[in-house]
Amino acid sequence: KNEVEQSPQNLTAQEGEFITINCSYSVGISALHWLQQHPGGGIVSLFMLSSGKKKHGRLIATINIQEKHSSLHITASHPRDSAVYICAVRSEETSGSRLTFGEGTQLTVNP
Amino acid sequence: GAVVSQHPSWVICKSGTSVKIECRSLDFQATTMFWYRQFPKQSLMLMATSNEGSKATYEQGVEKDKFLINHASLTLSTLTVTSAHPEDSSFYICSGLAGVTYEQYFGPGTRLTVT
Repeated sequence: KNEVEQSPQNLTAQEGEFITINCSYSVGISALHWLQQHPGGGIVSLFMLSSGKKKHGRLIATINIQEKHSSLHITASHPRDSAVYICAVRSEETSGSRLTFGEGTQLTVNP
Repeated sequence: GAVVSQHPSWVICKSGTSVKIECRSLDFQATTMFWYRQFPKQSLMLMATSNEGSKATYEQGVEKDKFLINHASLTLSTLTVTSAHPEDSSFYICSGLAGVTYEQYFGPGTRLTVT
């Protein structure tokens, strides 16, 4: 079992739909990251969370430390949101701030 | 957010040659930089962690003599793939750790193709 698991692996939505991507982890963490990777490869850091909720534009990220679970929500989805979304955690037990990555969720938003 | 650049963005080289990839933090000081490689449809795999002014720490299975990492300053780290082979063809990504916030900022990646 991976330390970080994401669901779903693939997600197809129509433009305008509300989207949720989930991330569960099995270790104690000091922070959780949500990353976005577009075709062509570049990675953008969307959020870093250690508790509660953060919002940036149409993106919302929440984390429940007790349940070891985080969600990334996209409101009013748009085709340009099509990308791979990656959850990554910084374990409390690991030195050096290295991240453990989930397998990613491929999101496709159709017009 | 903070910016990390990588150069080149893509490179094609012949087997047996060496390739250097640069990673720069443009508007923050990265006390630690990470180097990852990514194969198609797979997640990032950490290769090594480098701290400014000291030797890099390599992950198990990563050949330190093949993947030379230098972190000469707080804004520049380089990865040199020596005696490249076709199996080294991959997407290489660096990230810089902002010391105060512990936020990681990723570079745009370098696609290496070895022929």
